[in-house]
Amino acid sequence: DAGVTQSPTHLIKTRGQHVTLRCSPISGHKSVSWYQQVLGQGPQFIFQYYEKEERGRGNFPDRFSARQFPNYSSELNVNALLLGDSALYLCASSSGTVQYGYTFGSGTRLTVV
Amino acid sequence: AQSVTQLGSHVSVSEGALVLLRCNYSSSVPPYLFWYVQYPNQGLQLLLKYTSAATLVKGINGFEAEFKKSETSFHLTKPSAHMSDAAEYFCAVSGDSGNTPLVFGKGTRLSVIA
Repeated sequence: DAGVTQSPTHLIKTRGQHVTLRCSPISGHKSVSWYQQVLGQGPQFIFQYYEKEERGRGNFPDRFSARQFPNYSSELNVNALLLGDSALYLCASSSGTVQYGYTFGSGTRLTVV
Repeated sequence: AQSVTQLGSHVSVSEGALVLLRCNYSSSVPPYLFWYVQYPNQGLQLLLKYTSAATLVKGINGFEAEFKKSETSFHLTKPSAHMSDAAEYFCAVSGDSGNTPLVFGKGTRLSVIA
């Protein structure tokens, strides 16, 4: 079975630009979460979607947005990029209840210059 | 609200020695606790999880962790370190059985010396 797939794997953007990151969850998983991991830190929660509805939002500015599609894949969008947005963006999928754990993708490394 | 404190940003052990990575949590509700491992330039891999069943949890690669409510701890151990265990380890907590996000600690980098 395919795991969590994220694209692209690496990305370089200029300050002020917009970026879209994509995630395909494990087949059968209906929940997708996004995390930001700045170098040297633990992942920070950005968004969670379940059955295409937003179930949670972390402490991130409105420049960050996300959505989940009918096939349960998801996009994370970031507008007006700042240097501080440079990070590894991780997508996690789950069956919908935390006790089964979250499976993470390999992430998208975003560099803002 | 939940939070996690990982004591020691860097732990170094000799190959074959005991591995002990410390994690203390704070939670206003009964917690679900997780340990993840991250190898360089990769995502997070689940090592083990505590979900209110047995307090001693066994995971992959010979790791285990014990949930101690009185100490609010969930320390990760492995009897004998291998070179391949060198990685970053993250402890995480979630608040309940619903769709609540994981709150991660800052991580502990484990080095294994030959």
